[in-house]
Amino acid sequence: DAMVIQNPRYQVTQFGKPVTLSCSQTLNHNVMYWYQQKSSQAPKLLFHYYDKDFNNEADTPDNFQSRRPNTSFCFLDIRSPGLGDAAMYLCATSRERGGSDEQFFGPGTRLTVL
Amino acid sequence: GQNIDQPTEMTATEGAIVQINCTYQTSGFNGLFWYQQHAGEAPTFLSYNVLDGLEEKGRFSSFLSRSKGYSYLLLKELQMKDSASYLCAVKDSNYQLIWGAGTKLIIKP
Repeated sequence: DAMVIQNPRYQVTQFGKPVTLSCSQTLNHNVMYWYQQKSSQAPKLLFHYYDKDFNNEADTPDNFQSRRPNTSFCFLDIRSPGLGDAAMYLCATSRERGGSDEQFFGPGTRLTVL
Repeated sequence: GQNIDQPTEMTATEGAIVQINCTYQTSGFNGLFWYQQHAGEAPTFLSYNVLDGLEEKGRFSSFLSRSKGYSYLLLKELQMKDSASYLCAVKDSNYQLIWGAGTKLIIKP
């Protein structure tokens, strides 16, 4: 089945210790997104790639970086996690960015910062 | 600024009907989405509306009024598995999804 896969599902890190979350997709979609979602809140878009074109949201902290080495994979790097970065991180893909193009989500990585 | 409003929480009875409302104010409009999100899981797509009117898909229907900046999701014949959060999201003029915080739906037997 075509899908969006995220690894790991649960990640525990220490305050200030860099962490990398990964996402892969078998849908061959052009667009990949990274969201941060805290409990009972809306998903917050961090950035997205349209093919190789990187689009950073204005309010995404510099602490968050991303890489998309090829169509299938996308990584989220948190350089120095703080306690406030504990959240669910969701990767999503869409075929294009057009109006009707829905986003398909991976299962998420829940990040705990000690 | 851009804003999506939906009730924080609703309670309904198994077998009944529930309507979850969503109002929006966005810079432009390129469609409205409803997603379902079970606790601790990722959102899954339910419906898409871009024209005014009702879209029916099985037990779920979604309605849109662009002039009123309003949508609702109607769930019929509620089942316990429908207990989840329902998120409303609008694509703005830049095709970016603006998300609501979600409505937590609690189904009671």
